[in-house]
Amino acid sequence: RKEVEQDPGPFNVPEGATVAFNCTYSNSASQSFFWYRQDCRKEPKLLMSVYSSGNEDGRFTAQLNRASQYISLLIRDSKLSDSATYLCVVNIPGNTPLVFGKGTRLSVIA
Amino acid sequence: NAGVTQTPKFQVLKTGQSMTLQCAQDMNHNSMYWYRQDPGMGLRLIYYSASEGTTDKGEVPNGYNVSRLNKREFSLRLESAAPSQTSVYFCASSERAGGAYEQYFGPGTRLTVT
Repeated sequence: RKEVEQDPGPFNVPEGATVAFNCTYSNSASQSFFWYRQDCRKEPKLLMSVYSSGNEDGRFTAQLNRASQYISLLIRDSKLSDSATYLCVVNIPGNTPLVFGKGTRLSVIA
Repeated sequence: NAGVTQTPKFQVLKTGQSMTLQCAQDMNHNSMYWYRQDPGMGLRLIYYSASEGTTDKGEVPNGYNVSRLNKREFSLRLESAAPSQTSVYFCASSERAGGAYEQYFGPGTRLTVT
């Protein structure tokens, strides 16, 4: 089983729609979780961290389910500018680098 | 602050040629990383340096060498380029490896090997 798995998409949604992405991770000892965003032909950038209690940043909500080992990202009221690839990122315990999922591509259509 | 800078932005090599990709960060980060990104493959870690003076292999180290020149700079060398090394290369840095430390990425180098 891969360490971090995501549905590659693409998800094609109309403006104003709500869309959700899930990501599963294999290491039950992982403690830190993130969503990164990568625009076409650009570098990845941190979108938000994912906290145990769930957290919200404007139209974006991240949730963690430790029992089932998945994290989710919910985007409400989608904008054209939300079109990007969303990367699920998980830490592996120890002094080792973060593990990046392959990403889920979102296209928001007018 | 420039953050993480990479040079060059674009490069075309012939098979068998060598080159060095340069990366520098001005955030006083301890850890630095080299990734390659290919369509459908996501980011794959080539090498990383958890701290100055150390380097470790990642998922796909074959065909590459790295040098952590000082705390700011981490270079990636292709000794004999192959078409399979055509990719986008990203350098990144973080305060420390692992844990909850955000990685900051450079703008990438687009390499084509013919």
